[in-house]
Amino acid sequence: EPEVTQTPSHQVTQMGQEVILRCVPISNHLYFYWYRQILGQKVEFLVSFYNNEISEKSEIFDDQFSVERPDGSNFTLKIRSTKLEDSAMYFCASSEKWYGYTFGSGTRLTVV
Amino acid sequence: GDSVTQMEGPVTLSEEAFLTINCTYTATGYPSLFWYVQYPGEGLQLLLKATKADDKGSNKGFEATYRKETTSFHLEKGSVQVSDSAVYFCALLRSNDYKLSFGAGTTVTVRA
Repeated sequence: EPEVTQTPSHQVTQMGQEVILRCVPISNHLYFYWYRQILGQKVEFLVSFYNNEISEKSEIFDDQFSVERPDGSNFTLKIRSTKLEDSAMYFCASSEKWYGYTFGSGTRLTVV
Repeated sequence: GDSVTQMEGPVTLSEEAFLTINCTYTATGYPSLFWYVQYPGEGLQLLLKATKADDKGSNKGFEATYRKETTSFHLEKGSVQVSDSAVYFCALLRSNDYKLSFGAGTTVTVRA
């Protein structure tokens, strides 16, 4: 069964550093998303991406965040200058249409 | 905005007990409803879904029925196993965009 692959599974970074979280969506999917889950809290929408541009973003997704699909297969989330409160599990997802999300297994980001 | 509210946990049960996790939603339009499961150390997995009123989603012995009159999508399983120990998330997909809104999650622990 096709999978969404996320790397790394766990990343530890110093406050203020830039991080890039990587995702390989399912190959025929057209819609891409990032969600995050702060430990013990609900899963929150960050951003959706379609046709090589952001289609929607939440208020969490401020100027420190950016997404890119650099080569037609990878889908990345960059946090420019990490803060302690960015520590969370970040989930990538893709879908062929508006339904049918497939989530990756997540990247646990720890900012120290 | 559109949202889901689910029963708070944690829930602790003995093996073979009956499990119910309540979920109610608030939405304009006709959302699709989902239950996701997160096993310890893993990502989000779709457990079941329902896309219209009176639909029943089922998988792995779990069931949930989309009840428009009560705006509910309660998850049930008749006889739980230790392997069902996980966090369960109710989620709503709005019909006018591609964003999932998650409930807070319910931690279920099944004891042998």
